Amino acid sequence: KQEVTQIPAALSVPEGENLVLNCSFTDSAIYNLQWFRQDPGKGLTSLLLIQSSQREQTSGRLNASLDKSSGRSTLYIAASQPGDSATYLCAVRTRTTSGTYKYIFGTGTRLKVLA
Amino acid sequence: DVKVTQSSRYLVKRTGEKVFLECVQDMDHENMFWYRQDPGLGLRLIYFSYDVKMKEKGDIPEGYSVSREKKERFSLILESASTNQTSMYLCASSHPNEQFFGPGTRLTVL
Repeated sequence: KQEVTQIPAALSVPEGENLVLNCSFTDSAIYNLQWFRQDPGKGLTSLLLIQSSQREQTSGRLNASLDKSSGRSTLYIAASQPGDSATYLCAVRTRTTSGTYKYIFGTGTRLKVLA
Repeated sequence: DVKVTQSSRYLVKRTGEKVFLECVQDMDHENMFWYRQDPGLGLRLIYFSYDVKMKEKGDIPEGYSVSREKKERFSLILESASTNQTSMYLCASSHPNEQFFGPGTRLTVL
């Protein structure tokens, strides 16, 4: 059974720091991995999508990498800002026993960037 | 831009009531999903649908049912609401790989 873990659960950093968030999964048979941002009381906003054949994706100050064989993904945030404060979640797309697809989420890393 | 909307941001219901949560997407996506999110438990999949009138149970379907009569609309039904169904409910759609989420419905069952 696929399990997705995000460590640490919470992180506080001073503004301007570069930081790395981690996501690990137990079954390497994934189709893609997606990183999301969630602000308190709101829905999830998609940040980056990495297909299983890709090694990394970049968008602005964000860079996500994927190592399927080791079951790991990292989200790198450069020059962090207070506006980056949010919970970051990763999700893997995996095949169900009936042949359809579903997504399994980690429990997230709550990031606070201090001004 | 993909838009996923949910019928209510906040909802308060009484134990035993029948509750309908509506989700609409405007991008002709085949796949739609209902999750609930609880502190410490993360997002858990309740039901999903990969086509009109097609549905599949997720990880925690007990106490819920769904309806998808049109491609753009996916409804979550709580047949008889209970206090343990107090939660944040999130709807998402995807095609083919990337998921897009609605703003969520905070449901309180008293």
